[in-house]
Amino acid sequence: GAGVSQTPSNKVTEKGKYVELRCDPISGHTALYWYRQSLGQGPEFLIYFQGTGAADDSGLPNDRFFAVRPEGSVSTLKIQRTERGDSAVYLCASSAGTGTYQETQYFGPGTRLLVL
Amino acid sequence: AQSVAQPEDQVNVAEGNPLTVKCTYSVSGNPYLFWYVQYPNRGLQFLLKYITGDNLVKGSYGFEAEFNKSQTSFHLKKPSALVSDSALYFCAVRDRAGNNRKLIWGLGTSLAVNP
Repeated sequence: GAGVSQTPSNKVTEKGKYVELRCDPISGHTALYWYRQSLGQGPEFLIYFQGTGAADDSGLPNDRFFAVRPEGSVSTLKIQRTERGDSAVYLCASSAGTGTYQETQYFGPGTRLLVL
Repeated sequence: AQSVAQPEDQVNVAEGNPLTVKCTYSVSGNPYLFWYVQYPNRGLQFLLKYITGDNLVKGSYGFEAEFNKSQTSFHLKKPSALVSDSALYFCAVRDRAGNNRKLIWGLGTSLAVNP
């Protein structure tokens, strides 16, 4: 596709449930990033992939959060035992690579997660 | 630790007037600096970046930003504001050193351009 796409656009779940958020990056982009944005805040880094591997997962808040990118394209962010504090907009971005002139990150529209 | 400050929560400017949205940063090494814009219910859109070279960077929609190393600033500017420029603007930084590619973001500045 022309840009980064994310599904679903909105997700409402109950506390304790499991959710999966999907990101489809720009075709050919090798690097993929997940951020989350709470109301009134800037994006907060979660994890980034170079190819299939997680190059930096230092932003994942705890072990309830996990992300995969098995074929180096689509990525899924998985949240177990959701808590109300997980409510936020989850943003995905991709870049052509991680070299100096390739690393501009292009963002999808986000998935708005609400945990009741 | 890396950080970004956007000292103004909101900037108001009349259409046709010049606008400035301020950003200062802190990194241990040399920075890569970025500006993004966010319209309501839409994703972040890339405006411009400073990597190296000329301190004045030109970007999309007539925006430009000036990197000032001594003041650790990267203020966003536009000579003549449009009502359609009204949006939320974010400054972001990453340290060139090391292999991390994560961006550190400011809290955003809401720009209102009045007709």
